[in-house]
Amino acid sequence: NAGVTQTPKFRVLKTGQSMTLLCAQDMNHEYMYWYRQDPGMGLRLIHYSVGEGTTAKGEVPDGYNVSRLKKQNFLLGLESAAPSQTSVYFCASSYSGTYLYFGAGTRLSVL
Amino acid sequence: DAKTTQPNSMESNEEEPVHLPCNHSTISGTDYIHWYRQLPSQGPEYVIHGLTSNVNNRMASLAIAEDRKSSTLILHRATLRDAAVYYCILRDYGGAQKLVFGQGTRLTINP
Repeated sequence: NAGVTQTPKFRVLKTGQSMTLLCAQDMNHEYMYWYRQDPGMGLRLIHYSVGEGTTAKGEVPDGYNVSRLKKQNFLLGLESAAPSQTSVYFCASSYSGTYLYFGAGTRLSVL
Repeated sequence: DAKTTQPNSMESNEEEPVHLPCNHSTISGTDYIHWYRQLPSQGPEYVIHGLTSNVNNRMASLAIAEDRKSSTLILHRATLRDAAVYYCILRDYGGAQKLVFGQGTRLTINP
């Protein structure tokens, strides 16, 4: 049972490049979330989904897009990366929104 | 979303109890109090949650004030492994299914 798996674990981008972060969960959870964590800071919610085919904005959605085409996957896209998007990105999933299970994180640097 | 206030950092000694405070003076009747913790270089993990009554589980206890404007996470016998950032979060079960993290309290455990 893998839980929540994030791909890739590390990535370095140049300003203006695009990329997609993949989050996969094998627990049949309805809810999925994308957070970012800047050095020494708490987590900030980017986007979330309450079910397949649905997405909603969180606290800091600008510059990101998401898709939930399959229940087990939640994709986070950066269309034109900026240095301000350098961060650690965490994905989480939950059955009911009470107990969130987090992935190990993706460390992204934008130069 | 209702806000929480936590001390930035706390320090305690191994094998002693730790009391982590959280103020949430604007809490609403449908807000549950959640606690998560984040060990170094890991994603957050669920600790405990409650509504009005005190709660206990294998990890910790949650003491909620009678007016619900504050709560305290209690680690009964801290170990070095409990060194982490602890987040106190309010979740509105009548609203959006999301958790909004604050800055948290960085707990240091001295041997």
